[in-house]
Amino acid sequence: QVQLQESGPGLVKPSETLSLTCTVSGGSISSYYWSWIRQPPGKGLEWIGYIYYSGSTNYNPSLKSRVTISVDTSKNQFSLKLSSVTAADTAVYYCGRLVGATTIDYWGQGTLVTVSS
Amino acid sequence: EIVLTQSPATLSLSPGERATLSCRASQSVSSYLAWYQQKPGQAPRLLIYDASNRATGIPARFSGSGSGTDFTLTISSLEPEDFAVYYCQQRSNWPPGITFGPGTKVDIK
Repeated sequence: QVQLQESGPGLVKPSETLSLTCTVSGGSISSYYWSWIRQPPGKGLEWIGYIYYSGSTNYNPSLKSRVTISVDTSKNQFSLKLSSVTAADTAVYYCGRLVGATTIDYWGQGTLVTVSS
Repeated sequence: EIVLTQSPATLSLSPGERATLSCRASQSVSSYLAWYQQKPGQAPRLLIYDASNRATGIPARFSGSGSGTDFTLTISSLEPEDFAVYYCQQRSNWPPGITFGPGTKVDIK
């Protein structure tokens, strides 16, 4: 059974960079796409971007200038960096496995990141 | 960018009733449409992929239909655990990316 676990700081200061890592267990990171999604408190889901295990990426146009997603196959992990954060970036951040760049079949439990000074 | 619209925003029903949720895309997404269920404090769970295929372990009371721009998620007889928020999600080829609908909340009448 594939499991995903997000990790990283729960509090980030405005204008700084949010950094999260997703660790995949129970399966290999190879041959799949891996995605980040976020959900502001009380609101809907927003796709941030995805990465193929080989390293190719695709980002949400609205966040593209601030987002970097990377993968470390040796550690079975992939990571998110979101720069110049503001309070609007406060959200629960989920990582997920994306099948065929189409459907998210496995999700992490999510981690709340608050942007505040 | 393809925009997904879900209706109604809220659906108030009783256990045992049939729920019909709609998702409409601003342009054709072929059959690249998925449905997710989310309960408070939990991650979304995949219910339906490619418009009409149930994900592993999903009960038969959940069914999906549609193609192109109009899609439907049907819950044939609501169980107490089905009261939740449901999101549709599409994948587009150009511009390449993923978008979610705003969600439909199914609550107890």
